[in-house]
Amino acid sequence: QVQLQESGPGLVKPSGTLSLTCAVSGGSISSSNWWSWVRQPPGKGLEWIGEIYHSGSTNYNPSLKSRVTISVDKSKNQFSLKLSSVTAADTAVYYCAREVVVVVAATRERWFDPWGQGTLVTVSS
Amino acid sequence: SYELTQPPSVSVSPGQTARITCSGDALPKQYAYWYQQKPGQAPVLVIYKDSERPSGIPERFSGSSSGTTVTLTISGVQAEDEADYYCQSADSSGTYNVVFGGGTKLTVL
Repeated sequence: QVQLQESGPGLVKPSGTLSLTCAVSGGSISSSNWWSWVRQPPGKGLEWIGEIYHSGSTNYNPSLKSRVTISVDKSKNQFSLKLSSVTAADTAVYYCAREVVVVVAATRERWFDPWGQGTLVTVSS
Repeated sequence: SYELTQPPSVSVSPGQTARITCSGDALPKQYAYWYQQKPGQAPVLVIYKDSERPSGIPERFSGSSSGTTVTLTISGVQAEDEADYYCQSADSSGTYNVVFGGGTKLTVL
């Protein structure tokens, strides 16, 4: 079955850029799924960051859109997240997840399964 | 912006039934999804499209929908069900945004 694994620096300086990669195994990133990033600040709830399709099409959370870039590398079966101009408020566990998307009565339905184990990124000088 | 509202906490004794609600204006138009998250672990999908159960999820987990509220029901709660539960849906305004509820801590007494 599909498994996902996040990787990247655990510490980023304020005003810097957070960069993470999600490696997909057990399946192709070029399948009919989307791929998402979700984050969770310590002790708080989940926040969707954005999604990408293997074609390179992306959608982002409006609240983060100006700072987020998600890209895909089909040759390596992985996708990546860049979040610029980070502050302490961006400290969180970052998860990647496979996003199942279906159209039901002209409505785009989406859910996340499975998830990676998550990686903690701390923004601090 | 669109919001999903969950109670912060629910407590039940072992063997009883736990019900966790999630309210949102767009829920009559969009399905809801439920995730279980245990401490230090990634979320796990337990219900999709309001009431469907993924393979491998125990039958005691069920979901239902009525108007602007969806409910996750755990029948015969076990100690291992103690976790945070999050509902998720989509913003139907065309922004492609995904929204999570604030989460509910289920305590098994």
